[in-house]
Amino acid sequence: ETGVTQTPRHLVMGMTNKKSLKCEQHLGHNAMYWYKQSAKKPLELMFVYNFKEQTENNSVPSRFSPECPNSSHLFLHLHTLQPEDSALYLCASSPIGQNYGYTFGSGTRLTVV
Amino acid sequence: KQEVTQIPAALSVPEGENLVLNCSFTDSAIYNLQWFRQDPGKGLTSLLLIQSSQREQTSGRLNASLDKSSGRSTLYIAASQPGDSATYLCAVTLTGANNLFFGTGTRLTVIP
Repeated sequence: ETGVTQTPRHLVMGMTNKKSLKCEQHLGHNAMYWYKQSAKKPLELMFVYNFKEQTENNSVPSRFSPECPNSSHLFLHLHTLQPEDSALYLCASSPIGQNYGYTFGSGTRLTVV
Repeated sequence: KQEVTQIPAALSVPEGENLVLNCSFTDSAIYNLQWFRQDPGKGLTSLLLIQSSQREQTSGRLNASLDKSSGRSTLYIAASQPGDSATYLCAVTLTGANNLFFGTGTRLTVIP
C-alpha cells in the first residue's frame, strides 16, 4: 500500500445511479486531491482541499461532488454520470508548504454504462 | 498555463540497455519536479523528487536531472530490466501553487 487508500478499486454504474468514491490517508498530509485519468490524456486535476477547505475546482461538472470531512478522508460523490466520465480516478495527498512531493492512491477504475 | 511534454511517447529497448526519458515544461517558475511510474490500470508510484534548487537526484538505477532555465528534465535508467516496463510520468509544481501539471507519459517496454 502506498499510504493513500482508495475504495472501491473498480466500479460499474448506470447513468442514473448515485455512488461515492472514498480516499483515506494516514500520512499526516493536509492537502488532498482528486485527479481524473482518461485514455491518452494527461492527468487532469479536479479538486484540491487544503486543511479540509476546497481551494480549487477545475471547472468540474456538478455531477461530481467532492466532500472532505477531515484532513484524512476525501470523497467523490457521483450522480447522473455520462459514459465519457469513464476513467481512472486518482486520489493524492501532500504536505502543504513543504517540498516533499505527492503520494497517490491506486485509483478507482470507473465505468459508466 | 504550464504545458508538460514527454518524448518519446513509447520506447522499446532490449534488457540491459541504458535509456533516457525526456520531459520538458514551458514555465520555468517551478517549485519541484516529480517522476512517477504507473503500471497498467494502477495508481502512480513516486520515483524521484527534484527540488527547484537541485540539479539531480539518484535512487538505485535511476537518475533524474533538472535544468530549470531550459525547462527540461531527464530520467536515466541504467541496465534496464523487464520489470521496468511501465509508463513513466513527469509532473511539475509551480511556485505558490499546490497542483501538479502532468505530461502524457512515456510507455517503456523492456524486452527480455
